[in-house]
Amino acid sequence: DQQVKQNSPSLSVQEGRISILNCDYTNSMFDYFLWYKKYPAEGPTFLISISSIKDKNEDGRFTVFLNKSAKHLSLHIVPSQPGDSAVYFCAASPSGNTPLVFGKGTRLSVIA
Amino acid sequence: DSGVTQTPKHLITATGQRVTLRCSPRSGDLSVYWYQQSLDQGLQFLIQYYNGEERAKGNILERFSAQQFPDLHSELNLSSLELGDSALYFCASSNPGQGALETQYFGPGTRLLVL
Repeated sequence: DQQVKQNSPSLSVQEGRISILNCDYTNSMFDYFLWYKKYPAEGPTFLISISSIKDKNEDGRFTVFLNKSAKHLSLHIVPSQPGDSAVYFCAASPSGNTPLVFGKGTRLSVIA
Repeated sequence: DSGVTQTPKHLITATGQRVTLRCSPRSGDLSVYWYQQSLDQGLQFLIQYYNGEERAKGNILERFSAQQFPDLHSELNLSSLELGDSALYFCASSNPGQGALETQYFGPGTRLLVL
């Protein structure tokens, strides 16, 4: 039973355009959502997070949107850069100091 | 650099053997989490320690065990290894003092190959 789903295994975007990565969850107890970026042979790197009391959080080129009623969140990267090419994981937890539940990841390729 | 260190980076061993993976959390972080990433899988939570005590358990096999020491470093012990245990093992740490927006920071991982 996958509680966090990233239905697109891969995404290809032109440099300078917007990348939109999607994530759906099923557990209504999830209260805190994070996006991590992972390069090969490295650990996941924290990108941005959002708590359930917000519907949007922005940090530079990265914006996360949360739609609680639809149990859906998305990560927007604008403008996309070749260095953004990596696997992006969506993760969720019911509260702080609890384990994260991860999606299987979306591989983003930004083409110059 | 997340500040979380893991050793060794790579480990090759044979079935039936036992190995120990080590993790040093970021300075000041009391929580340590262990995750496993198998081929084509997302990260699966194994176990969490908080200030030396086990706090949560996930899909951890009985052949696996962990502990967190007084200096807050943690070790994950994998025994009677099977081919299917080959995976990337990540450690993450966090500071629960951050409250609801606490973030887990991940180490570089240990790649285990069981032959």
